Amino acid sequence: AQTVTQSQPEMSVQEAETVTLSCTYDTSESDYYLFWYKQPPSRQMILVIRQEAYKQQNATENRFSVNFQKAAKSFSLKISDSQLGDAAMYFCAYRITFGNEKLTFGTGTRLTIIP
Amino acid sequence: EAQVTQNPRYLITVTGKKLTVTCSQNMNHEYMSWYRQDPGLGLRQIYYSMNVEVTDKGDVPEGYKVSRKEKRNFPLILESPSPNQTSLYFCASSLYFRGSNQPQHFGDGTRLSIL
Repeated sequence: AQTVTQSQPEMSVQEAETVTLSCTYDTSESDYYLFWYKQPPSRQMILVIRQEAYKQQNATENRFSVNFQKAAKSFSLKISDSQLGDAAMYFCAYRITFGNEKLTFGTGTRLTIIP
Repeated sequence: EAQVTQNPRYLITVTGKKLTVTCSQNMNHEYMSWYRQDPGLGLRQIYYSMNVEVTDKGDVPEGYKVSRKEKRNFPLILESPSPNQTSLYFCASSLYFRGSNQPQHFGDGTRLSIL
């Protein structure tokens, strides 16, 4: 069974600084997708960034980027120039390419932004 | 506006009183799914549906039922709710193409409290 591990329950960062959230996963599949979701206090689930496992190039979305290490099964999220609006719970998620589109989530990392 | 709509947003009820949480999407998505979110556990899939009249169990289906009579609707039914079903529930949908990386769209969540 696939598992996703987020080893940092809580993180904090000064406004305008850079922070990296860690995620590791375990799978025997070779084709899959990885995602980072943001859940602010409003509890909406907002897609931040996604990565296809077959792509070597790391995905970027404005201030958000990932470091995808397929051999190490690692998928960290880097947030640059942190803003107050980035404060939220962040979930790493995995999905196989074919079949049930189930997302397997990690347990989340609560990010606090210090003004 | 493309959206997944869940109702109710909040519900407090008592053990054994049947309840239904509705989910509707306006994007003509084939795939729909229910997740529950619990502290320290992330989100876990309850049931999913690949299309009308096609449903299957996820990781934590015990105590829940679903139906998919129309493409847009995917209600979650708790026939005899118990306190361990107190949780935050999310409905999600996506356009299902085999092997695609279409992201899942989430509803705003339903907070259920079973006393």
